[in-house]
Amino acid sequence: GAVVSQHPSWVICKSGTSVKIECRSLDFQATTMFWYRQFPKQSLMLMATSNEGSKATYEQGVEKDKFLINHASLTLSTLTVTSAHPEDSSFYICSARRPGQGQYNEQFFGPGTRLTVL
Amino acid sequence: KNQVEQSPQSLIILEGKNCTLQCNYTVSPFSNLRWYKQDTGRGPVSLTIMTFSENTKSNGRYTATLDADTKQSSLHITASQLSDSASYICVVSRLTGTASKLTFGTGTRLQVTL
Repeated sequence: GAVVSQHPSWVICKSGTSVKIECRSLDFQATTMFWYRQFPKQSLMLMATSNEGSKATYEQGVEKDKFLINHASLTLSTLTVTSAHPEDSSFYICSARRPGQGQYNEQFFGPGTRLTVL
Repeated sequence: KNQVEQSPQSLIILEGKNCTLQCNYTVSPFSNLRWYKQDTGRGPVSLTIMTFSENTKSNGRYTATLDADTKQSSLHITASQLSDSASYICVVSRLTGTASKLTFGTGTRLQVTL
């Protein structure tokens, strides 16, 4: 159990276009999902926390108008990179928190999406 | 400042050998500590998770220890295999009101060779 999927696994787009990445919890309902970005040889950096049915909470320095997050259901959150530029090229990873885990409060990570902006 | 530091930054070992990775943290208030394995181009996969009261936890050939007094953790890998080649990330969860927040270490890149 506790499987999180992402789609697409990789995407190449032209500068100025928008890209949508989906994150799904396949076998549990996730009231909270998280979006991370990871640059080469660096650790994951939290971009935003997505709560089902409410607005996402963005970390300091992350532009909410550029990285649009929608968490419309308990199993799906989407991240849209608007007007993408080469500096947005990165590995985007989502995670989902499975409720009812008590003190562990564990997050389960998706396999990631490699975005390359030309 | 909430930080997680890992050492060594990278490590190369021969197949079959053991190794130990270190993690020091200054995260507060502490909730739990996790070790993840991240293969290149993939998302992190949980290996172990320990709360304040747990000082050791095993998952197959992986054994994690936690000393909450000194704020140190280690991940010991026994009888390494080529498939163990990956980045190992130490992550500490802290409580922020009713929510929890993760602080990630920069990881240790392990390469297992023949």
